[in-house]
Amino acid sequence: NAGVMQNPRHLVRRRGQEARLRCSPMKGHSHVYWYRQLPEEGLKFMVYLQKENIIDESGMPKERFSAEFPKEGPSILRIQQVVRGDSAAYFCASSPTSGSNEQFFGPGTRLTVL
Amino acid sequence: SQQGEEDPQALSIQEGENATMNCSYKTSINNLQWYRQNSGRGLVHLILIRSNEREKHSGRLRVTLDTSKKSSSLLITASRAADTASYFCATDADGNKLVFGAGTILRVKS
Repeated sequence: NAGVMQNPRHLVRRRGQEARLRCSPMKGHSHVYWYRQLPEEGLKFMVYLQKENIIDESGMPKERFSAEFPKEGPSILRIQQVVRGDSAAYFCASSPTSGSNEQFFGPGTRLTVL
Repeated sequence: SQQGEEDPQALSIQEGENATMNCSYKTSINNLQWYRQNSGRGLVHLILIRSNEREKHSGRLRVTLDTSKKSSSLLITASRAADTASYFCATDADGNKLVFGAGTILRVKS
């Protein structure tokens, strides 16, 4: 059973470009969470999705950021018109159910904005 | 300030010694989890302790939870150089998102 997959592992974008980060949850997991980690800091929650639904996006910036988890395929975190402050590690986690359960984390995507 | 704050911020010990890290939080929780992160890597889940549990063991790890003080501790016994990493506590208050602290950087010298 493969773990949570994220790609790309490293992504370099110039200011103003778009960044697309992908996350494939563990097999059988229908709940996906995205977190962002700035250098020397802990992870900050961004968004929680189930298949085709955004459940909680309270940690997501209001502009330029969007997330989806379609019926088929991976979850996508999309950042439009990236700025240098978007440079961070973006982690995806999945769980089989909601509620008080362990979340399994992927290896992360390190985004660098030049 | 954020939920889940660890102390110390950094800890340096000799191989074979025990390492203790603490975590404090502010609101009621369903559970508290500890994760390890090696430099530049993803998070590895270490242990989950539920709000009705007081202590839990896993190998060389011992976690305690005091809900009256809103605090938890992670003890790593007989530390090894491979334990060098950042350690984060994460609380689950609303059943969904995890709230992480800033972490403790542990360095084990051989």
